[in-house]
Amino acid sequence: TQLLEQSPQFLSIQEGENLTVYCNSSSVFSSLQWYRQEPGEGPVLLVTVVTGGEVKKLKRLTFQFGDARKDSSLHITAAQPGDTGLYLCAGEEYGNKLVFGAGTILRVKS
Amino acid sequence: DVKVTQSSRYLVKRTGEKVFLECVQDMDHENMFWYRQDPGLGLRLIYFSYDVKMKEKGDIPEGYSVSREKKERFSLILESASTNQTSMYLCASSLGGPGQRAFFGQGTRLTVV
Repeated sequence: TQLLEQSPQFLSIQEGENLTVYCNSSSVFSSLQWYRQEPGEGPVLLVTVVTGGEVKKLKRLTFQFGDARKDSSLHITAAQPGDTGLYLCAGEEYGNKLVFGAGTILRVKS
Repeated sequence: DVKVTQSSRYLVKRTGEKVFLECVQDMDHENMFWYRQDPGLGLRLIYFSYDVKMKEKGDIPEGYSVSREKKERFSLILESASTNQTSMYLCASSLGGPGQRAFFGQGTRLTVV
């Protein structure tokens, strides 16, 4: 199984600040997915990126897939307390198997 | 909307017991997954099934087995529960084919005492 390294593990910021979460691997994935998980719930998909170099925007969230399809980033602009949660990246191996990074716990203070 | 249902939210079992965790999805998905989630370790894949009666080991299959007799149901079995299997267990399903999202159940918090 390919490994996904996610950083940072924990982020505590003030409302209005910007932040970036990174997801890196030495291997190529057929797609990269980002999920958000609230306490007591299962992860919920935010976005899927498939093409190398692809950039997707979801309101204040910007997702990027590296040109070589080995890494991805999630950038949040002007973070709000409602963005607080666990962010997980997941790489899709060939054969549809999903492997997850360790996650980034984001806390946005008002 | 897709629904993935796990049979229990919370479960407490004794060491050595045989434990069954059940997962049902209602959208005719080909793929089903069992993960365990521990703080700082993310989601680790235990087993993966891409069709009825078909299964593939994930990263941490030791101490677990699975059963998929029907397309909509994927069961995780702990043959002899141990305290190091205390964890949050998450079931997920997805359509076959690349780029498909996974839909997760709400999780089962298993405590082995």
